[in-house]
Amino acid sequence: QLQLQESGPGLVKPSETLSLTCTVSGASINTNNYYWAWIRQPPGKGLEWIGMRYYSGSAYYSPSLKSRLTISVDTSKNQFSLRLTSVTAADTAVYYCARHYGLATPTGLNWFDPWGHGTLVTVSS
Amino acid sequence: DIQMTQSPSSLSASIGDRVTITCRASQSIKNYLNWYQQKPGKAPKLLIYAASSLQSGVPPRFSGSGSGTDFTLTISSLQPEDFATYYCQQSYYTEDFTFGPGTKVDFK
Repeated sequence: QLQLQESGPGLVKPSETLSLTCTVSGASINTNNYYWAWIRQPPGKGLEWIGMRYYSGSAYYSPSLKSRLTISVDTSKNQFSLRLTSVTAADTAVYYCARHYGLATPTGLNWFDPWGHGTLVTVSS
Repeated sequence: DIQMTQSPSSLSASIGDRVTITCRASQSIKNYLNWYQQKPGKAPKLLIYAASSLQSGVPPRFSGSGSGTDFTLTISSLQPEDFATYYCQQSYYTEDFTFGPGTKVDFK
């Protein structure tokens, strides 16, 4: 059964870099038709897609975060990572990793499933 | 980008009630619409994909319909474990996936 688990610091100072890792178990990360995604949720608010990357390199990033964002995949460790620079209090959120399926299929119908449990990252001095 | 709206933002219902949640896209997204359920302190869970396809393991009391700009999630007979927040998500515009603001279903 596929499981995803986020890890990383729970507290980041303003202007510094937020780094998180998602460890994938139960399946290989270098499988066709799957992207590996990050989604976040500020406390008490809705869901915001951050971005995603394919194991072989192609990536999609949120236009609002693109200038500060890097998502990478490490197939040797079956992990993928998020790096967000120059953070502010507005980046405080629960960060979820998720598997994205379908973009490369004939219909292009696609969705996020499953999701990790999430990890709270607070940006504060 | 494509904006998603949901109505109502919250509703109160009783066990056994039929519940309907509406999601609207700012432009046509064909059937590229997914529904997720989120319980407090938990990650979202995929319920419906491609507007009307039930994810494996999801009870058949959940159903989805719609295409173009207007979509509906229906719970035919509300159960205690269904009290949660429900989000729609468009998967048509892949440069910026967007979610609706959510509909909270609580106990009347």
